[in-house]
Order: sequence, then structure tokens, then C-alpha cells
Amino acid sequence: NAGVTQTPKFQVLKTGQSMTLQCAQDMNHEYMSWYRQDPGMGLRLIHYSVGAGITDQGEVPNGYNVSRSTTEDFPLRLLSAAPSQTSVYFCASTKRGTGGGKLFFGSGTQLSVL
Amino acid sequence: AQKITQTQPGMFVQEKEAVTLDCTYDTSDPSYGLFWYKQPSSGEMIFLIYQGSYDQQNATEGRYSLNFQKARKSANLVISASQLGDSAMYFCAMSSAYSGAGSYQLTFGKGTKLSVIP
Repeated sequence: NAGVTQTPKFQVLKTGQSMTLQCAQDMNHEYMSWYRQDPGMGLRLIHYSVGAGITDQGEVPNGYNVSRSTTEDFPLRLLSAAPSQTSVYFCASTKRGTGGGKLFFGSGTQLSVL
Repeated sequence: AQKITQTQPGMFVQEKEAVTLDCTYDTSDPSYGLFWYKQPSSGEMIFLIYQGSYDQQNATEGRYSLNFQKARKSANLVISASQLGDSAMYFCAMSSAYSGAGSYQLTFGKGTKLSVIP
């Protein structure tokens, strides 16, 4: 099993550019989410989805957009990149009923916005 | 709003010794979950252990145990017989519910960097 796959691993953007961070899982997990990790900080929830067609905002949703058209995929879109969005982004998933937040994480995407 | 506090930015422990990583939390939710994650230098996040707020006994997973003191709002991680591979960042986290969508949304602390000395 591949688990949770994130692409790309590294990305450099210029201010104002848009891009999509990809996340796919092959474990048939209903729940998927995106977190960002800034230096000296824990992870903060951006958006999450409890199933295909259902998404909701987390703690820091501004500047990001998500959609969930399939169970497997949960892309994160940066609409107009800003230097404040320089961070490491993690996608995570879990199966409903597995004891809450026992999340399976991808390996992360390191994003720099210049 | 929930808050997780990890007061130890960094800790050292001798190999084969036990170590306790502190975590205190604040929440007004009547039910919640508490979690610990490990982040090695390679960057991935690894789930270690989970404790539900209604669980009577402290959770254990191999060499990891969670010392849950509900009245003190603390959820300390105890690692027994430390190994060199335990050197990593450790994050305490909590969910806003015991079940349902809220149980999957985690609030993380800032982490503790553990270094195991040979």
C-alpha cells in the first residue's frame, strides 16, 4: 500500500501565483485533511473532508481552497500565493471509527513563496 | 477554543532510561481525545498513542504510555527504555470530540525535541 501520497515534495512560487498541492490515499479512508506546519509551531488545520462532496474549514482556511470529488483525492489549491503561506503542508487521512484522530500522514510538501 | 501547552522545548535522556514529556490542555468540550505524534528528522508524522477523555485506564502502546490526569488536564507521554531512534520531535494533540467529525480535527502543541544520548 502506498498510504497517503503528496506531490510535489518541494515547490517554490512567486507571490501571486496559484498552484495545487496533490494528495491521494489508497486506504479507502473517509476522512481527509490538510495541515500546515510553521517553524516552532505545531500543525494547524486548514481544511478537512468527511467524505466525497463534503468539505469544511479548519483553523486557518484563508487563501486556500479544497474539493473532494472522489474518496481517494483531496487537492489543496492556493489561489494567489503570499509569503505568509511559506510552510510545510501535510495531508492526512483516517477511516471513520478508528478512534478519532489516529491520522495517517503524507510525507509533506515544503512550499516557499518568494 | 482548545489549547495544548508543551512547556519543554527540548529534552535530553540517556539511552535505556525512561523519559516523560509534558502536555497540558485546556478545553470546554465535555468529551475529547488526546494524542501523541512523533516527527523524526525525516519529517513524517507518526501516530504513537491515543487516550479518550472517558477512558478509565491510561493508554499504553509498547514502550509508550500516556499518563492521563483529567483533573489536572495533563496528558504526559512516558517513553520507557529510550532508544537512539526515539530522538525526534514529539507533538501532543487533542480533538474536540470523542466521536464524529470533531474527533478527527486536531489541535497540536508546539512540540518537544527529544535527544537520546548514547
